[in-house]
Amino acid sequence: AQKITQTQPGMFVQEKEAVTLDCTYDTSDPSYGLFWYKQPSSGEMIFLIYQGSYDQQNATEGRYSLNFQKARKSANLVISASQLGDSAMYFCAMREATTDSWGKFQFGAGTQVVVTP
Amino acid sequence: EPEVTQTPSHQVTQMGQEVILRCVPISNHLYFYWYRQILGQKVEFLVSFYNNEISEKSEIFDDQFSVERPDGSNFTLKIRSTKLEDSAMYFCASSETRGGVNTEAFFGQGTRLTVV
Repeated sequence: AQKITQTQPGMFVQEKEAVTLDCTYDTSDPSYGLFWYKQPSSGEMIFLIYQGSYDQQNATEGRYSLNFQKARKSANLVISASQLGDSAMYFCAMREATTDSWGKFQFGAGTQVVVTP
Repeated sequence: EPEVTQTPSHQVTQMGQEVILRCVPISNHLYFYWYRQILGQKVEFLVSFYNNEISEKSEIFDDQFSVERPDGSNFTLKIRSTKLEDSAMYFCASSETRGGVNTEAFFGQGTRLTVV
């Protein structure tokens, strides 16, 4: 079964606009972490933001914020004031704390974001 | 800021050749991982490594693959006889913990392997 689902394969957004990237997850583990990574065309994985399952507040990092709705098992990424340099693939990922997972990341399929002038 | 370092950044190899991809994890980390990403596709888990042994591996990680930590700092992925379908970006990651609440992990910048 898919642990991480990203339903938006691609999105266009205008410069200076905000964009929300959807991510839903599936786990029965009470302890887990949710991550968003940016992958530009050069290929490296750039860490953006992290949310722990016990965190009471939504995570924020500069222009990135994570809309964490635990009951709905969603962890959407919001990028405010989009810039041309935000054009990239964005991956949602989860790490669980169950004994048989050994902390591996499970990635969604990604959302390709294109920022237009 | 500490970082995971991977070498080489690019490698081109002939089909059937052996390749070794190298990673230097963050020094106090205990859990190590390899992932691969075929061009344009999702990131796939290959193997996790803890306490000098494999703790988990995926179906992709067959007998052609091996990992080791030869000297306490490097963490290597070896592909014995490369196939065209091994062409991908390979990422190393390391973490102080195995996941959960305190769960930050760090990725290297990747090695792009091309098998010709």
